[in-house]
Amino acid sequence: AQSVTQPDIHITVSEGASLELRCNYSYGATPYLFWYVQSPGQGLQLLLKYFSGDTLVQGIKGFEAEFKRSQSSFNLRKPSVHWSDAAEYFCAVGFNAGNMLTFGGGTRLMVKP
Amino acid sequence: NAGVTQTPKFQVLKTGQSMTLQCAQDMNHNSMYWYRQDPGMGLRLIYYSASEGTTDKGEVPNGYNVSRLNKREFSLRLESAAPSQTSVYFCASIRQAGGLLYEQYFGPGTRLTVT
Repeated sequence: AQSVTQPDIHITVSEGASLELRCNYSYGATPYLFWYVQSPGQGLQLLLKYFSGDTLVQGIKGFEAEFKRSQSSFNLRKPSVHWSDAAEYFCAVGFNAGNMLTFGGGTRLMVKP
Repeated sequence: NAGVTQTPKFQVLKTGQSMTLQCAQDMNHNSMYWYRQDPGMGLRLIYYSASEGTTDKGEVPNGYNVSRLNKREFSLRLESAAPSQTSVYFCASIRQAGGLLYEQYFGPGTRLTVT
């Protein structure tokens, strides 16, 4: 069965610093890949997605992610973090058959002033 | 478009009580999903409905039932609530085209506490 791992449960960065959130998946084929953000008490908002093509994808709010097939990874990056980026981030993978998504456990981001 | 809506937003139940969580989407999506979110565990799929008239179990279906009432609505029922079902429940729908999977859209969630 497929699985998604987000190794970092909590990350704290200073405002203005760069950010990288890690995501690894296990599956034999190339999946559909997603990053979602969840602010406290809110639902999930899609940041970006990868289906095929260019392995560096741009998303909303200045985020980007790079798909690395050899490492089965889809890490999320942002060059300069803003205080409003403090939230929980979820990586998810989906596959054509069944149309289901499997989520990682999430990474909670805190931003220091 | 309202997107995906869920009712209620909050609910407190006593052990053994029953309730139904409602979900509706106005995006004409075929597939709808129910997830539960627990700290440190991400979202886990309870049930899903690939199309109107079909439902299938996900990762954690025990203690739940679902009904795909029509294309818009997908409800989740707890017949006899247990404290282990204390969680935040999210409904989602997915856009599909040409047999390909696209992003899911999530509702705002229902926070359920079972005492």
